[in-house]
Amino acid sequence: EPEVTQTPSHQVTQMGQEVILRCVPISNHLYFYWYRQILGQKVEFLVSFYNNEISEKSEIFDDQFSVERPDGSNFTLKIRSTKLEDSAMYFCASQGQGGGTEAFFGQGTRLTVV
Amino acid sequence: SQQGEEDPQALSIQEGENATMNCSYKTSINNLQWYRQNSGRGLVHLILIRSNEREKHSGRLRVTLDTSKKSSSLLITASRAADTASYFCALPNNAGNMLTFGGGTRLMVKP
Repeated sequence: EPEVTQTPSHQVTQMGQEVILRCVPISNHLYFYWYRQILGQKVEFLVSFYNNEISEKSEIFDDQFSVERPDGSNFTLKIRSTKLEDSAMYFCASQGQGGGTEAFFGQGTRLTVV
Repeated sequence: SQQGEEDPQALSIQEGENATMNCSYKTSINNLQWYRQNSGRGLVHLILIRSNEREKHSGRLRVTLDTSKKSSSLLITASRAADTASYFCALPNNAGNMLTFGGGTRLMVKP
């Protein structure tokens, strides 16, 4: 069964460092997402990406965040200068079509900022 | 943005019993989705129910939707220890390009 894969599964970084979280969505999907979940809290939407551009973003997704689909298969989330409060599980998701269909989530990257 | 709220927040039952979780929301929807999350793992899509549907089944799962009450329920019948997980309802925005998740129900099924 096709799946969304994320790497790394766990990343520890120093505060102020840049991190890039990587995702390989399902190959024929068109819509891509990043969500995050701080330990013990709700899953929060960060950004959606369609047709090579951001289609929606939340207040969390400020100038420190950026997304890219550099080569037609990978979908990356970059955090430019990490803060302690960026520590969370980051989930990538993809959809074949828009909001009327299910989203497939990866297993997540646990980011720990120290 | 749309947000669902689940109740109860936590539910503990014995294997073989049924588990019912509820989700309430505030504004109109095109569809409502239920997801499951095992501890520390990714979200797995369970069922999507559209606003013109009242009930949907998938194996031991039954989802109902009452748009007049703005609520949905997820029923797991004949529960198993492997059903232990958190269950979330999720609502798309009008554009369908983001999902808003509720706080989830933590289900524990004791063997």
